[in-house]
Amino acid sequence: QVQLVESGGGVVQPGRSLRLSCAASGFTFSSYGMHWVRQAPGKGLEWVAVIWYDGSYKFYADSVKGRFTISRDNSKNTLYLEMNSLRAEDTAVYYCARNNIGAPNWFDPWGQGTLVTVSS
Amino acid sequence: QSALTQPASVSGSPGQSITISCTGTSSDVGGYNYVSWYQQHPGKAPKVMIYEVSNRPSGVSNRFSGSKSGNTASLTISGLQAEDEADYYCSSYTSSSTGVFGTGTKVTVL
Repeated sequence: QVQLVESGGGVVQPGRSLRLSCAASGFTFSSYGMHWVRQAPGKGLEWVAVIWYDGSYKFYADSVKGRFTISRDNSKNTLYLEMNSLRAEDTAVYYCARNNIGAPNWFDPWGQGTLVTVSS
Repeated sequence: QSALTQPASVSGSPGQSITISCTGTSSDVGGYNYVSWYQQHPGKAPKVMIYEVSNRPSGVSNRFSGSKSGNTASLTISGLQAEDEADYYCSSYTSSSTGVFGTGTKVTVL
């Protein structure tokens, strides 16, 4: 079955870096755009970034532009999010989600999420 | 990239219908038929309920329906059931090729 599994979360100090991974299985990963979405504790969903199926285009939320980098390795069926210059406000559960073919902004399915805590 | 505006909470009795609104601008909701809706139960990942304004993925109950008028999209849940109690988020594609979510609505079944 289609599955997305995030990893790499943890506690990190402000200003430091962290890389999240999202392992995909059960579908042809190289055919789908992929997103990262985050949710701060007790807050709503916030869209973070998208990468096209072949990595040719990447777009970011203003809140992370210049600090976060989305990438993918289609040979490993894995999506990444490199997070630099982390701030307390980046504390959140980070979800990866597949963009279904045919319509942008159709997130299905989602992973279970990985928690990133930015704290000294 | 301001969040789309949703009511903080909506409630209804079992069997009733409720509607959740999602208001954006001509650069997102009003400009594209790429609005989707997500249901999230506590501690769980979101699940898509509606995509492209009014399409239901296979496996989603036909009690869920979506529509759009101008810069406002809506999700209607008919025949409200206890299992529908959850948080609901709308999302839209934007003119910057990014995504944006709504502020979220907590649905309570009385």
